Amino acid sequence: EIVLTQSPATLSLSPGERATLSCRASQSVSGNYLAWYQQRPGQAPRLLMYAASSRATGIPDRFSGSGSGTDFTLTISRVEPEDFAVYFCQQYYDSPRTFGQGTKVEIK
Amino acid sequence: QVQLQESGPGLVKPSETLSLTCNISGDSITDYYWTWIRQPPGKGLEWIGYVYYNGATKYNPSVKSRATISLDRPRRQLSLRLTSVTAADTALYYCARCKIDCSSNICYGRYFDYWGQGTLVTVSS
Repeated sequence: EIVLTQSPATLSLSPGERATLSCRASQSVSGNYLAWYQQRPGQAPRLLMYAASSRATGIPDRFSGSGSGTDFTLTISRVEPEDFAVYFCQQYYDSPRTFGQGTKVEIK
Repeated sequence: QVQLQESGPGLVKPSETLSLTCNISGDSITDYYWTWIRQPPGKGLEWIGYVYYNGATKYNPSVKSRATISLDRPRRQLSLRLTSVTAADTALYYCARCKIDCSSNICYGRYFDYWGQGTLVTVSS
């Protein structure tokens, strides 16, 4: 199975700063079949991005995704208070579908 | 707007069978895979498996021999049965809708665009 490793485990930022989250795959995720989710405390995950760089419906444009092959990045251009949460990547190129272990974006 | 609502017993004894349901409202049943995903307390997400409207299923090998996912189309209800549970099955269980791509009559599950709120299942005697 494809193992996704996210870094850093925790990112401490002040509102307005830029967040850069990494997701590295143990083998190539062809077709850029990679999604990102946001999970706020006590809530279900919410789809942010799919196909590595396509924003889901209703997602603000401060969120962007990039990457290909084995290295993918989620960027939040200016972190808003509601963006402090845990972010997961997920690959849907191979079975079983797998998730990264998450990056927590916390208030500095 | 699709809505998903999980339900089931919050406590299951070791070696017994966990049974959960998810009520699906607001959208077509036939155009998606319907999925179970779980999250142990304080940990990451694990895809359990999904079912298509025609009954076709796919499972994570980590639970394949113990899990059964089914879809009752008239009742718009998704179900999960997990046998021989242990403490390692303690988790928040989510149902989710999975976007699919179909080509030459083969459909592939992609990403999960709608999720229920989840139901916590604790395995303990």
